[in-house]
Amino acid sequence: NAGVTQTPKFRILKIGQSMTLQCAQDMNHNYMYWYRQDPGMGLKLIYYSVGAGITDKGEVPNGYNVSRSTTEDFPLRLELAAPSQTSVYFCASNAPGGELFFGEGSRLTVL
Amino acid sequence: KNQVEQSPQSLIILEGKNCTLQCNYTVSPFSNLRWYKQDTGRGPVSLTIMTFSENTKSNGRYTATLDADTKQSSLHITASQLSDSASYICVVSGGTSYDKVIFGPGTSLSVIP
Repeated sequence: NAGVTQTPKFRILKIGQSMTLQCAQDMNHNYMYWYRQDPGMGLKLIYYSVGAGITDKGEVPNGYNVSRSTTEDFPLRLELAAPSQTSVYFCASNAPGGELFFGEGSRLTVL
Repeated sequence: KNQVEQSPQSLIILEGKNCTLQCNYTVSPFSNLRWYKQDTGRGPVSLTIMTFSENTKSNGRYTATLDADTKQSSLHITASQLSDSASYICVVSGGTSYDKVIFGPGTSLSVIP
């Protein structure tokens, strides 16, 4: 049982470049989330989804986009990378009201 | 404003010693409080969850307490081990949906031989 899988684990981008962080879960969870974690700060919610075809903004959505075409996959898109997006990104999933399961994280640096 | 504060920011203890981490929150309404352990370079892993009516919850050497009146929680670690070195995150939920979840900044614990 793989749980929540994120790729890539590390990535360096130049300002203005675009990329997609991939997230997949094999637990058949409807709820999925993207968080970012800056040094010394708590995790902040970027976007979340309550099921295939349904997404909504979290606390810090600017500069990001998401899609949810299947229950398993929830990719996060950065269109025009900025230095402020340098962070560690975590994808998570859970059954309604249940425990959050996190991926291993994707460390992104924008130079 | 909904906030979760944790103290201390960092802590160093000797292997075998006990320690207590603190969490204060202003999240309202309150649904539940969780403690997560995050190893360096890994995603957070749940340790305990407590609802409004629960005062204490244990998971092995980890014991969490909750005072919903004062909006305070603590995580007590007994007989620390080197593998306890990690960041411990207090997470407070204001509802059943996870867009109402507030993460604390974490306490970095280092256990040394």
